[in-house]
Amino acid sequence: AQSVSQHNHHVILSEAASLELGCNYSYGGTVNLFWYVQYPGQHLQLLLKYFSGDPLVKGIKGFEAEFIKSKFSFNLRKPSVQWSDTAEYFCAVNAGTNAGKSTFGDGTTLTVKP
Amino acid sequence: DAGVIQSPRHEVTEMGQEVTLRCKPISGHDYLFWYRQTMMRGLELLIYFNNNVPIDDSGMPEDRFSAKMPNASFSTLKIQPSEPRDSAVYFCASSAQGDPYNEQFFGPGTRLTVL
Repeated sequence: AQSVSQHNHHVILSEAASLELGCNYSYGGTVNLFWYVQYPGQHLQLLLKYFSGDPLVKGIKGFEAEFIKSKFSFNLRKPSVQWSDTAEYFCAVNAGTNAGKSTFGDGTTLTVKP
Repeated sequence: DAGVIQSPRHEVTEMGQEVTLRCKPISGHDYLFWYRQTMMRGLELLIYFNNNVPIDDSGMPEDRFSAKMPNASFSTLKIQPSEPRDSAVYFCASSAQGDPYNEQFFGPGTRLTVL
């Protein structure tokens, strides 16, 4: 069975600080990887996704994530956060066999202080 | 496309009452998921369907919860009888079989409060 681990439950940063949120998954086969963002009071929205190819994936709003297969990791990064990035971030993995179901991590709450 | 549509957006009810949440997935999507989100438990997958057939309902908390998908464009999640601990935001999501990413698209959620 797949599992996803997000190391940080709550991260607090000041504006312009750099961000890195950890995500590790356990699954031995081909995977699709996702980061979703949930702004306060809203639903989950896709931030970026990895299917194959370049392991460095660029998403919306300046976010990027790097897939490191040997480490089973898919960490999310942003060089300079803004107050508007305050949200909850979910990492998710889907077995790349068109299984449909994704497994979500527990989420990391990011608070950016102005 | 309008995206995943959920109704109602907010529901306040009293303990013991029946609650029905509704979801219309994105047209053409083959998978439909029901999630529950609370502060205590985070995001939980309750049940999901493929081509209108329930595939995994192991996340359904107890017999008070039931879900149906009578056709490809409509699903319901019913709680009968409701209890205060059912208070949560319930999200519906859908995805397309054959989409290489299997990306899930979430609806706006139904915020349920059981008094």
